[in-house]
Amino acid sequence: GAVVSQHPSWVICKSGTSVKIECRSLDFQATTMFWYRQFPKQSLMLMATSNEGSKATYEQGVEKDKFLINHASLTLSTLTVTSAHPEDSSFYICSPVSYQETQYFGPGTRLLVL
Amino acid sequence: AQSVTQPDIHITVSEGASLELRCNYSYGATPYLFWYVQSPGQGLQLLLKYFSGDTLVQGIKGFEAEFKRSQSSFNLRKPSVHWSDAAEYFCAVGAYYNQGGKLIFGQGTELSVKP
Repeated sequence: GAVVSQHPSWVICKSGTSVKIECRSLDFQATTMFWYRQFPKQSLMLMATSNEGSKATYEQGVEKDKFLINHASLTLSTLTVTSAHPEDSSFYICSPVSYQETQYFGPGTRLLVL
Repeated sequence: AQSVTQPDIHITVSEGASLELRCNYSYGATPYLFWYVQSPGQGLQLLLKYFSGDTLVQGIKGFEAEFKRSQSSFNLRKPSVHWSDAAEYFCAVGAYYNQGGKLIFGQGTELSVKP
């Protein structure tokens, strides 16, 4: 099956710092990328949708200036959490969609903000 | 409002026993329904999906699910559970006729398997 990687798999940072999470589709091109986050004991919640070369579309309640998404290529998308705070601690999961409209999920990145 | 409810946060079954994980949804349009499994350190893996047609759908690893429109349910079943089935299971509903798009997920059900 298709492989999706996320880096880092976990990160601990101090409050106020920025963290960049990379999502790569290793053997296919992703025309669309979804970013989800999952708080403990809660379901995955869609944060934003991006298409290669276009600005991301954010879900209601997600601050676009705080969660910067870059989908510069068909195999790489990044999510940057700017000025992270403890309430941003969560599990972030990318979900690329291929040209064949097959959706995949990355293994996730666990972020802990102290 | 669109939502997915998985009433059971955690279920424990004995190996070899049957399994049913419940999923109820609230959706304004024709729902496209999915079940995913998530193992630690792994991405979500699609078990099965329902778009239309036969309301009993077969998936991978011996799982099946039945869509019941009257009950707004899409319960996941397996006749005989294996220890390797221990994982987190998510039910999801989406709006697009493809393998996903924007998905609304349930809270998840954690499955433990006793030897």
